[in-house]
Amino acid sequence: DQQVKQNSPSLSVQEGRISILNCDYTNSMFDYFLWYKKYPAEGPTFLISISSIKDKNEDGRFTVFLNKSAKHLSLHIVPSQPGDSAVYFCAASAQLYSGNTPLVFGKGTRLSVIA
Amino acid sequence: DAEITQSPRHKITETGRQVTLACHQTWNHNNMFWYRQDLGHGLRLIHYSYGVQDTNKGEVSDGYSVSRSNTEDLPLTLESAASSQTSVYFCASSPGRDSPEYFGPGTRLTVT
Repeated sequence: DQQVKQNSPSLSVQEGRISILNCDYTNSMFDYFLWYKKYPAEGPTFLISISSIKDKNEDGRFTVFLNKSAKHLSLHIVPSQPGDSAVYFCAASAQLYSGNTPLVFGKGTRLSVIA
Repeated sequence: DAEITQSPRHKITETGRQVTLACHQTWNHNNMFWYRQDLGHGLRLIHYSYGVQDTNKGEVSDGYSVSRSNTEDLPLTLESAASSQTSVYFCASSPGRDSPEYFGPGTRLTVT
């Protein structure tokens, strides 16, 4: 059973517009959430994270929103640029006494930003 | 600069051979992880370690093993390579609680 779901395999957005990538999770123990960006033939790159004590975290053009009651998070990219074209992975972990559990990843969403 | 490296970057091997993929990080991170990426599956956890002499199985650990004899390295061994293990393998490390995992560049393994 998939604990982290990204239901949109792909998304196309015009340059300058907002990109919204969505992610749902089922495990209520998850309390730390991350987004990664991946270009072909490279490793995933950490983009932004949020802990469950917050509902929003912003870093430049990237904002992550967390809705705990709906078990949903989203990544907003404003404005979108052609260099943002990549696969975006949502990931989650649970905090234990000894530390965090390993990340559980969604299957990814391929974002294409069209000039 | 501190970093995480993987070697080799590309490997072709035959069914039944033993293969070891190397992962080395210079951040002095306690936590290290191995994932595989396959089309339609995203990233799936193979094995992980929270420190020297500590190893744990992940979601898809069958046919793989790891050992952690020092902080910097977590080699991944395929005991007897199978065609189903053709994949891209990523190593990652993290410093600990509520920290991101930082990924290496990946190793593309083909088992013929």
